[in-house]
Amino acid sequence: GDSVTQMEGPVTLSEEAFLTINCTYTATGYPSLFWYVQYPGEGLQLLLKATKADDKGSNKGFEATYRKETTSFHLEKGSVQVSDSAVYFCALSLPGIQGAQKLVFGQGTRLTINP
Amino acid sequence: GAVVSQHPSWVICKSGTSVKIECRSLDFQATTMFWYRQFPKQSLMLMATSNEGSKATYEQGVEKDKFLINHASLTLSTLTVTSAHPEDSSFYICSAKGDNSPLHFGNGTRLTVT
Repeated sequence: GDSVTQMEGPVTLSEEAFLTINCTYTATGYPSLFWYVQYPGEGLQLLLKATKADDKGSNKGFEATYRKETTSFHLEKGSVQVSDSAVYFCALSLPGIQGAQKLVFGQGTRLTINP
Repeated sequence: GAVVSQHPSWVICKSGTSVKIECRSLDFQATTMFWYRQFPKQSLMLMATSNEGSKATYEQGVEKDKFLINHASLTLSTLTVTSAHPEDSSFYICSAKGDNSPLHFGNGTRLTVT
């Protein structure tokens, strides 16, 4: 079935370090791909997305490129900040009932940035 | 501020009782709402999709008589866990989408059944 596998955490980095969180997917058809972020005590927020192969999503210094050949959507940031500490979820979406998009999530990766 | 409000944020109940969780869209009409369940260190698992005014569509393996979902208005969906047992303890998250608004998530409800 359709699934998302992402890098197991927790991940701990120092401020200004380079970040990569790996994400690979299995899907029938051509899904859209997402990264969501959950800051402490808050709900999930959309960080970035890509809807077709070779698209690059970017936001707040984070980037991810939809790689169809490797079925991957790795999240990267060149220089992380303490405020980036959160749980990051990779997800794919499939058409659902009445066109509503259903999301399939990875297990989440907890990121902690130390000053 | 939050555009989807989920209440309560945490609840403890005794085994055999029922618990209701509310999910409200605050400034848009949510034509579709989704309910997820998250186990510790695991991904969010979609339980059901509900559209306003119609019966919810449950994912395979989710007991519809155990997890009652009502989407009676365009701003409110409820999830009732009936005859709760300790294995129902989990983190439940709702999300909501309108025709002209993106998907927004609630902050989640942590249910502990003793």
